[in-house]
Parts: sequence; C-alpha cells; structure tokens
Amino acid sequence: KQEVTQIPAALSVPEGENLVLNCSFTDSAIYNLQWFRQDPGKGLTSLLLIQSSQREQTSGRLNASLDKSSGRSTLYIAASQPGDSATYLCAVSPPNTDKLIFGTGTRLQVFP
Amino acid sequence: GAVVSQHPSWVICKSGTSVKIECRSLDFQATTMFWYRQFPKQSLMLMATSNEGSKATYEQGVEKDKFLINHASLTLSTLTVTSAHPEDSSFYICSAMGQGNYEQYFGPGTRLTVT
Repeated sequence: KQEVTQIPAALSVPEGENLVLNCSFTDSAIYNLQWFRQDPGKGLTSLLLIQSSQREQTSGRLNASLDKSSGRSTLYIAASQPGDSATYLCAVSPPNTDKLIFGTGTRLQVFP
Repeated sequence: GAVVSQHPSWVICKSGTSVKIECRSLDFQATTMFWYRQFPKQSLMLMATSNEGSKATYEQGVEKDKFLINHASLTLSTLTVTSAHPEDSSFYICSAMGQGNYEQYFGPGTRLTVT
C-alpha cells in the first residue's frame, strides 16, 4: 500500500528565506507526482506536476525534483514571501490508475 | 480554463437529514470525477471515483449506501450524504479529469457541519 509522508509537518520562517519541503513515498512505482497548495478552508491549487520519467519541474520561484528510485521529491521555494503561507501537499499517482494519494502536508508560515 | 465549481460552499444540517453536494466542470467535459474528504489539519482522503454514466467505485472503508455518488453527465457529479451524523462533518472536495488528460482539477470544497 502506497504511503506518502511529508516533512516537516510545519514550518515557520522569516521572509526571504529559501525553503525545502520534503515528500517521500513507499512505492517507487508511480505514474506522476504533483505538488499542490491549499489555503485555509479552500480547495487545491496545482503548483507543479512531474511525470515519472522527469527529474524536475520549475515554475517561477518554485522548483520540484523527483527521485523515483529513492521514493523522494522535494519542493524548493526561493526567496519566500508572506503570500507563500499555506499548506503544501504532495500527491502521487500509482500506475494504471487516475487516483491521487496525498501526503500529510506541510503547513508553511512566512512572516514579514 | 479547467475550472471546477462546487455548490454549496458550506452547509449546516441537522443530524438524520441528507445533504447533496454538486461538483461541476465549467469549461471542459469531465469523464472522471473524484470525491475526497478532509478532516481538520489532515490530508485529503479519496472516497470514490466516478465515471460518467457508470457506478462509482468506492475506496475501502467508505460506505456506498451512505455516500451516494451520481455522475449523470460529463459536467456534473453529485455526492449525497444520507442520514448525516456529526461525525460526517468534514470538508468535501471534488476533482475532475477530462478524457485523455491525466491532471485532476480541484473544486473549492464544501464545508459540511452536522449538528
């Protein structure tokens, strides 16, 4: 059974810091991995999607890497801003299925 | 593009009543829709997968007679919580996927409170 874990569970940093959020999954057989952002009481916003054949994806200040063999992904946030405060979720999609299995989330707070 | 809406955004109901939540894909045809629930400060748990025109597939431990899912058209899926109880209070989120597309687009969620 695929399990997805995110570390740390919570993170509070001053504005301007570069951050690394970690995601690990127990079964390396995945179709893709996604990173999402969720604001309190809201739905999910997709940030980055990495196919299993890819190593990384970048969008603005965000960079996500994938090491499928070791079951790990990292989300790198450069020059963090208070507006980045949210919960970040990673999710993996097992092969031959459209399902998403979500991680436990990292609650990020960036203070001015 | 790829906008998914949910209605209502929040609902309060009395114990024992039924509540229907709608999930709509506004600008694309969703051949597959997913329903998740999220308890406070926890992650999303998949409840069921629904394909247009067929019965939903429920995840282990989810009562299909309690959580009725209907996906009657390519733009609408509904989740009905029957005989709701306080423990059903949660945040329910749907997502939709178009044919030939592997990405899920999420709705804004519905906050259900059962008193």
